[in-house]
Formats: sequence, structure tokens, C-alpha cells
Amino acid sequence: AQSVTQLDSQVPVFEEAPVELRCNYSSSVSVYLFWYVQYPNQGLQLLLKYLSGSTLVKGINGFEAEFNKSQTSFHLRKPSVHISDTAEYFCAVSDFSRDDKIIFGKGTRLHILP
Amino acid sequence: DVKVTQSSRYLVKRTGEKVFLECVQDMDHENMFWYRQDPGLGLRLIYFSYDVKMKEKGDIPEGYSVSREKKERFSLILESASTNQTSMYLCASTDSGLPNNEQFFGPGTRLTVL
Repeated sequence: AQSVTQLDSQVPVFEEAPVELRCNYSSSVSVYLFWYVQYPNQGLQLLLKYLSGSTLVKGINGFEAEFNKSQTSFHLRKPSVHISDTAEYFCAVSDFSRDDKIIFGKGTRLHILP
Repeated sequence: DVKVTQSSRYLVKRTGEKVFLECVQDMDHENMFWYRQDPGLGLRLIYFSYDVKMKEKGDIPEGYSVSREKKERFSLILESASTNQTSMYLCASTDSGLPNNEQFFGPGTRLTVL
């Protein structure tokens, strides 16, 4: 069975500093991986996704993530955060089966400090 | 531009009331999902549907039912609302023709049961 672990429930970081949000997954088969972002009082929107090919994936708003198969990780990074990045970030995994579901992590709340 | 809409952004109901949450997508997606989101627990799947008139239980179906009479519309029903159903409810859809199961989300309905 698949599972997703987001190791940090909250991450405080100063504005213009770099940030890494950690995500580890477990699955016995090949996977697709996603990061979603949820701004206050809104639904989730896709930040980036890994389907195949290059392990470094670039997304919207300057975010990127690296798929590491040996470490079963998909950490999200941004070199310089802005106050507008304040949001909750969800890592998610889907395998190659046809049950059409995604498993979400519990989320990491990113706090940008002035 | 793809769109998933939910009938209400905020809803306040009384214990014992029957509550309907509506979700409509304009992407001709086969699959639709209802989640609830609570602090520290992430997204939990309540019900999903692969096609019209089809429904499958998710991880926490107790106290809920669903209806899918038309492809674009998926309704979540709380037969007798209780205070522990106070939560943020998110609807999502996917295209079953895509293997990666990327989900598109609505803006959410924040339900308070008094």
C-alpha cells in the first residue's frame, strides 16, 4: 500500500531565504508524484508533478522538486521565498494501478517571517 | 480554463439538519471525489465516483452519502449533520484517460455545524 510522509507539519522561514519541504513516500510499484499548494481559504492547486524523465521538476512560482528513487523522496525547494508563498503544501503519490486515486500527505504549513 | 465549482464557500447548519454540498466540473471528467480536510489530518477521502450512478466508499464514509445523477455533478449529503462534521470539504475530479490521476480541486466549502 502507498503512503506519504511529510516530515514537518510547520516550517518557519525568513523572507528571501531558501526553503525545503520534505516528502517521503512508500510504494511497491512505480509512482507519479505531486505537490499541491493551498492558499488560505482556497482549494488545492497543482504546483508541480513528476511523471517520468528528468528527476528535477520545475513548477509554478519558482518552486522545484527532485525525485530520488533510492531514497523514495520528493522534496520541494525554493531558493528565495516571498511573503506570498505563505500557504499549506501537500505532497501526493499515485501509482500505476487503475484505481484513479491519489494518496495525500498531511501537509506542511509554510510561515514566511518578515 | 478548467473549472471545478462548489455551491457554497461557507455554510452554517444546525445539528440534525440534512445538508447538501454540490460540486460541478466542466471538464467532462469521469472521476469525482469528496474529501474533508481537518487541521493535522490532511485530506481524507469520503466517497468517490467513477461514472454516473456509480459510487465507492473512501476512508471515512460514515455519516455521509453521495449522488451522481449527471456526469458533471457530484453531491455530498449529510443525512443528519453532527458537530463532528464541522470541517472544510473539498471536491476534486480527474480524467480517467490520463494515467497519472492528477486531480483538479474546487475552492472548498467550510461547513460549521452548531
